[in-house]
Amino acid sequence: QQQVKQSPQSLIVQKGGISIINCAYENTAFDYFPWYQQFPGKGPALLIAIRPDVSEKKEGRFTISFNKSAKQFSLHIMDSQPGDSATYFCAAYTTDSWGKLQFGAGTQVVVTP
Amino acid sequence: KAGVTQTPRYLIKTRGQQVTLSCSPISGHRSVSWYQQTPGQGLQFLFEYFSETQRNKGNFPGRFSGRQFSNSRSEMNVSTLELGDSALYLCASSLDWIGGGYTFGSGTRLTVV
Repeated sequence: QQQVKQSPQSLIVQKGGISIINCAYENTAFDYFPWYQQFPGKGPALLIAIRPDVSEKKEGRFTISFNKSAKQFSLHIMDSQPGDSATYFCAAYTTDSWGKLQFGAGTQVVVTP
Repeated sequence: KAGVTQTPRYLIKTRGQQVTLSCSPISGHRSVSWYQQTPGQGLQFLFEYFSETQRNKGNFPGRFSGRQFSNSRSEMNVSTLELGDSALYLCASSLDWIGGGYTFGSGTRLTVV
């Protein structure tokens, strides 16, 4: 049973466009929601994270929007660049997880020049 | 500050053999988690160690085991390798298990032939 559902599976966006990736969760005990970026041959790198007491967090061109009542959160990549082409994973965590991040299935983003 | 270091980066093993993978966490990090990443199953949690104790374990057969040393370095072992064990094995570390802010290494690519 997948505890974090991520969509879309893949998306293609033009340079300068906005990439939007959505995630939904069921477990209301989750209290930490990170996004990871992974390039081929590399491990996932923490991109940005949010806790449920905040509805939005922005770091550079990356923004997380969090809707606690809907149990959904999303990643927006503004002014997408070819270097942003990667696989993005959302995840969820609670202290009771004892080190286990619950990952979404991943979204492959391709930014065309 | 050095990141999470995993060795070796690549391994080719034969079915039935066993393998040991190594992970050196970020200095000061005491929680180490291991994940298996495959195209079909995504990122799956193997286990987590803190202060040399395994505190959480994923749904993997007993052929998968691990340990953590007093300096927080960790190893995982897979015995009686099967073709399906071919995957990218990722190690992640954090100061402790509480916050969820895990940093991943680049992984060990294991190919079983």
